[in-house]
Amino acid sequence: SQQGEEDPQALSIQEGENATMNCSYKTSINNLQWYRQNSGRGLVHLILIRSNEREKHSGRLRVTLDTSKKSSSLLITASRAADTASYFCATDLGGSEKLVFGKGTKLTVNP
Amino acid sequence: GAGVSQSPSNKVTEKGKDVELRCDPISGHTALYWYRQRLGQGLEFLIYFQGNSAPDKSGLPSDRFSAERTGESVSTLTIQRTQQEDSAVYLCASSLVPGSYEQYFGPGTRLTVT
Repeated sequence: SQQGEEDPQALSIQEGENATMNCSYKTSINNLQWYRQNSGRGLVHLILIRSNEREKHSGRLRVTLDTSKKSSSLLITASRAADTASYFCATDLGGSEKLVFGKGTKLTVNP
Repeated sequence: GAGVSQSPSNKVTEKGKDVELRCDPISGHTALYWYRQRLGQGLEFLIYFQGNSAPDKSGLPSDRFSAERTGESVSTLTIQRTQQEDSAVYLCASSLVPGSYEQYFGPGTRLTVT
């Protein structure tokens, strides 16, 4: 099974609302990353949070990490139609040089 | 500077044919990764190159899949005797150093096996 599992699988909201996506993982990690993918093509890195960090902000993005629960959340505030995409969390397996990606959350922001 | 590029962007091939996919990483990036993404799914790790070290091939699904990288530059992923289940988007990514650093992705090659 996947190291990272996002939920929900799909999320539909109105422009201006906040969107929250969650990621759970199974093994210890050094860091967790969130990526965005538009139209099934290349992924774009959004934010990286290290295992000793609890919260990180970047513009309208807020990421939290709870290593005791092995979970992370990505919050997008004041969503825009352009935020419509799939969002993936990725974890390193305790310092592995590989990233393991979840199946993603498909976010639709309706104008 | 230029990002990661991949070619071709789309490839349609007949079952049983061989295909070769190309990836040009960002100059100076020592680590290069190949992933496969089936429709509506997450990314499956295929293979990882780091400098002159032996590649990590642990994700290659069968011996029909192989990949090479010349130094710290271009990489090619070859699929021999393609099957319909090989249809997917193949994504390449590079990173400045391996390990827990962000990866920069190319636009992918959409492979369709008929």
